[in-house]
Amino acid sequence: AQSVTQLGSHVSVSEGALVLLRCNYSSSVPPYLFWYVQYPNQGLQLLLKYTTGATLVKGINGFEAEFKKSETSFHLTKPSAHMSDAAEYFCAVTLSSGAGSYQLTFGKGTKLSVIP
Amino acid sequence: GAGVSQSPRYKVAKRGQDVALRCDPISGHVSLFWYQQALGQGPEFLTYFQNEAQLDKSGLPSDRFFAERPEGSVSTLKIQRTQQEDSAVYLCASSLAGANYLYGYTFGSGTRLTVV
Repeated sequence: AQSVTQLGSHVSVSEGALVLLRCNYSSSVPPYLFWYVQYPNQGLQLLLKYTTGATLVKGINGFEAEFKKSETSFHLTKPSAHMSDAAEYFCAVTLSSGAGSYQLTFGKGTKLSVIP
Repeated sequence: GAGVSQSPRYKVAKRGQDVALRCDPISGHVSLFWYQQALGQGPEFLTYFQNEAQLDKSGLPSDRFFAERPEGSVSTLKIQRTQQEDSAVYLCASSLAGANYLYGYTFGSGTRLTVV
């Protein structure tokens, strides 16, 4: 079984400031981890994913995340926030093997506001 | 098509009414998924198809929910005798091949169902 906890349902940052969205997971086998972004009335868009290999992964729009097994974390960061980053962000996990390895389990989401 | 298409975008149903939600996946995509996203929550897995075979329906919340994909392309999610707790956004996603997430999922924009 797997689960995801996103700390903070709402995060506000100033334009140009660091963005940090927190995600912790639990998984019975090595996980695959993902961050998605959802703009109002739109579907989910994949920002980045970790499967195997390098633990620091870079995604679209300048976002990156680091897989830390010892901390069971996969926090999302961006050095400098832009107004267009305002959206809802979801962390998700799936099992790398076994039954249900195709199922994504999502966190409850973090709504990011960017203040001009 | 270029993306996953869902229709209708919005549906208002009276309690007790039956509804049908349609998903047109990307042409050639073998795998198709349905997720339910309640207000303020992350998406939750409902069901998974590989071609026309429904391999997992463990997430369907009750026997009022039924999904089909008879020819391995278009899928329909049907909800009978809708209730207020069925109000949510229903997301469809498709993937090129199999259960391996490495191929990536593409999500549609969803159908927002409101039961009054």
